[in-house]
Amino acid sequence: GQNIDQPTEMTATEGAIVQINCTYQTSGFNGLFWYQQHAGEAPTFLSYNVLDGLEEKGRFSSFLSRSKGYSYLLLKELQMKDSASYLCAAPDSNYQLIWGAGTKLIIKP
Amino acid sequence: DGGITQSPKYLFRKEGQNVTLSCEQNLNHDAMYWYRQDPGQGLRLIYYSQIVNDFQKGDIAEGYSVSREKKESFPLTVTSAQKNPTAFYLCASSIDHGGESPLHFGNGTRLTVT
Repeated sequence: GQNIDQPTEMTATEGAIVQINCTYQTSGFNGLFWYQQHAGEAPTFLSYNVLDGLEEKGRFSSFLSRSKGYSYLLLKELQMKDSASYLCAAPDSNYQLIWGAGTKLIIKP
Repeated sequence: DGGITQSPKYLFRKEGQNVTLSCEQNLNHDAMYWYRQDPGQGLRLIYYSQIVNDFQKGDIAEGYSVSREKKESFPLTVTSAQKNPTAFYLCASSIDHGGESPLHFGNGTRLTVT
């Protein structure tokens, strides 16, 4: 079946680095998305990976391994405003997005 | 600035009443979507539309209806047939219904039915 798994919650310290993992099983592969969602707000697009490797975008980087069905989001120099849920999503063969339940990231001073 | 507007932000209804959630976008996007978000679960697709006057059921369409009479507008009606309507509803749009196109979301409507 199709499935996206990610940890429910993670805690990290301000200024540190955190890695949020995502494993996926989808019919076909059409890339993988990461979104950020602050509580009660709209998800906002962070990254899209379709090729293996690491893509860096400022403090945020996203990694993909298609052979392992695995991705991670790396957040550096954590700030309090990074406290949010991070959603992993992948399109299936019909381009319908399959969503993970999200990882709630708690940043402590 | 372009964006997606959902209204209202909070909505309260009595059981047995139909209710319509508004979604308007001025991004000139062809594709629009309605998702439902419940605690501890991933977003679930209710309906989507790739073009005006056309829409498709998503994974959980039962008890919901939509229309797409204008490119900018994609209202969702939650009918009394929806057994568990209390949830956070998110509308989204994308340039097209393709794998690479990121979604742009509205700020959501939190519906409470008692």
